[in-house]
Amino acid sequence: TQLLEQSPQFLSIQEGENLTVYCNSSSVFSSLQWYRQEPGEGPVLLVTVVTGGEVKKLKRLTFQFGDARKDSSLHITAAQPGDTGLYLCAGEAGNNRKLIWGLGTSLAVNP
Amino acid sequence: DAGITQSPRHKVTETGTPVTLRCHQTENHRYMYWYRQDPGHGLRLIHYSYGVKDTDKGEVSDGYSVSRSKTEDFLLTLESATSSQTSVYFCAISDPRTGYGYTFGSGTRLTVV
Repeated sequence: TQLLEQSPQFLSIQEGENLTVYCNSSSVFSSLQWYRQEPGEGPVLLVTVVTGGEVKKLKRLTFQFGDARKDSSLHITAAQPGDTGLYLCAGEAGNNRKLIWGLGTSLAVNP
Repeated sequence: DAGITQSPRHKVTETGTPVTLRCHQTENHRYMYWYRQDPGHGLRLIHYSYGVKDTDKGEVSDGYSVSRSKTEDFLLTLESATSSQTSVYFCAISDPRTGYGYTFGSGTRLTVV
């Protein structure tokens, strides 16, 4: 069974701090995606990474895909209250574009 | 972004009744998915579709059926609702323009009493 483990499960920080959340697996994925979900809404895609070692930046967010394509990290610089939400990683494996999902990291950024 | 809408947004139903949730997309994407999201379990795949009349089971398909008679519509039916099916249901489409990232609907909060 393929699993994606996310850590930490919960994170509460002050505005302006930096943070990193992790997504780890023993399985290899053809791509890995990060989503952010706010209460009462569906997850929203932030990024897709497909190449081992790939780094993508989206404003203050930096995403990295591990060299072996088994893990990924999301780093947020100078967090803001608007970054609050549930961050989910998902890996694509097998056919029909199905994703394996982590349980998420719940981030609270306090003003 | 592709438009995707779910209906209804909220529903309360009684145990034993059938319930149908609708997912509609305005783009011509091939892949569509139904998930449920529950605390402690995350997103779990119920059924998915890879084309008109082409569907398959996910990891939690018992008690659910789906139909896709048109590219734009993907229906999820709870054949006889039970309290364990109280959940938030999300529909998603896989968009080739974003590396097959998913676009989700806003969800349906279903309560079975």
